[in-house]
Amino acid sequence: KQEVTQIPAALSVPEGENLVLNCSFTDSAIYNLQWFRQDPGKGLTSLLLIQSSQREQTSGRLNASLDKSSGRSTLYIAASQPGDSATYLCAVRPTDSWGKLQFGAGTQVVVTP
Amino acid sequence: DAGITQSPRHKVTETGTPVTLRCHQTENHRYMYWYRQDPGHGLRLIHYSYGVKDTDKGEVSDGYSVSRSKTEDFLLTLESATSSQTSVYFCAISDPGLAGGPGMADTQYFGPGTRLTVL
Repeated sequence: KQEVTQIPAALSVPEGENLVLNCSFTDSAIYNLQWFRQDPGKGLTSLLLIQSSQREQTSGRLNASLDKSSGRSTLYIAASQPGDSATYLCAVRPTDSWGKLQFGAGTQVVVTP
Repeated sequence: DAGITQSPRHKVTETGTPVTLRCHQTENHRYMYWYRQDPGHGLRLIHYSYGVKDTDKGEVSDGYSVSRSKTEDFLLTLESATSSQTSVYFCAISDPGLAGGPGMADTQYFGPGTRLTVL
């Protein structure tokens, strides 16, 4: 069974510092991996999606890498801002589960001014 | 933002009562999903639908049923609510066909959530 782990569970950094968020998964048989952001009391917002054939995706200050063979993905957020404070979740789509995602528990990020 | 609404947004009910949550989309996406989110567990899939009247179970489907009679609506029913079903419920949509089919990019878009408390 696919297991998705995000460590640490919580992270606090000063404004301006780069954020590095980790996601690991146990089975490399995936179609893609997605990173989401969740603000308190809100739904999830998709940030980046990396297909299994890709190594990385970039959007503005966000960059996500994928090493499928080692079961790892990293989300980098450059020059963090207080508005980046949120919970970040990663999710993989296994090849044997059409359309279904397996989520990690998330990393709660606080960026202090 | 994807046009997804959930109703009600908050509900308090008593053990043993039936509860129905509604997800409505205006995007004409083929796939719809129901997840629950609990501290320490992340999001877990309850049921999903891959078309009108086509549904399947997720990893935590016991005690839940779903129906989809129209593309835009996906209903989640708790036949007899229990305290263990206290959670935040999220609906999501996707349409892999837009990206070329199975295995291709299929971003999921989430609704705002329904907070359900079962006393």
